[in-house]
Amino acid sequence: DAGVIQSPRHEVTEMGQEVTLRCKPISGHDYLFWYRQTMMRGLELLIYFNNNVPIDDSGMPEDRFSAKMPNASFSTLKIQPSEPRDSAVYFCASTRTGERYEQYFGPGTRLTVT
Amino acid sequence: AQTVTQSQPEMSVQEAETVTLSCTYDTSESNYYLFWYKQPPSGQMILVIRQEAYKQQNATENRFSVNFQKAAKSFSLKISDSQLGDTAMYFCAFWDRDDKIIFGKGTRLHILP
Repeated sequence: DAGVIQSPRHEVTEMGQEVTLRCKPISGHDYLFWYRQTMMRGLELLIYFNNNVPIDDSGMPEDRFSAKMPNASFSTLKIQPSEPRDSAVYFCASTRTGERYEQYFGPGTRLTVT
Repeated sequence: AQTVTQSQPEMSVQEAETVTLSCTYDTSESNYYLFWYKQPPSGQMILVIRQEAYKQQNATENRFSVNFQKAAKSFSLKISDSQLGDTAMYFCAFWDRDDKIIFGKGTRLHILP
């Protein structure tokens, strides 16, 4: 299996622009997680899905952030409008029922907002 | 709420030495999982080792082993014969039935040649 795929790997954008991060989970996995990693706050869970349905979005920082999972093989995390404090590494991870303790992480997207 | 605490922000050891990273956690659950993840400079999150709370035997993966003290809620990682490639950020993490993994703040480990 190819593992969790994220794109782009690096994104540099200007404040106020819309940013879309993409994730393809491992085939057969029915859970998908979005994390944000910063020096100050460490690794934070933003939102997670089960069978394409958002289960817990309590970690989403504010209304500028939104996430969707239109099908089992694709998810997006969108920031609109972006701000410099959104600069971070965003990870996507997936797992499956019965092995929920083992999350497989993607390589991450490093976002820089100038 | 569950918490995970790593009290060592940064450590350095000489190559080939043994190093122990500390982790404590807080939970009222009796059945859960604990993990150590490694994040090398490339940024990838890599699962190093996993421990199931109902198992008394400490988990071991090659040069990596844990000391799991359930009563003390302690879960340390020992790296034997450390190698330059072990240089990374190490995260202790906790999972119970809530689907979420709770991560500690991390310990930055430097292996010196």
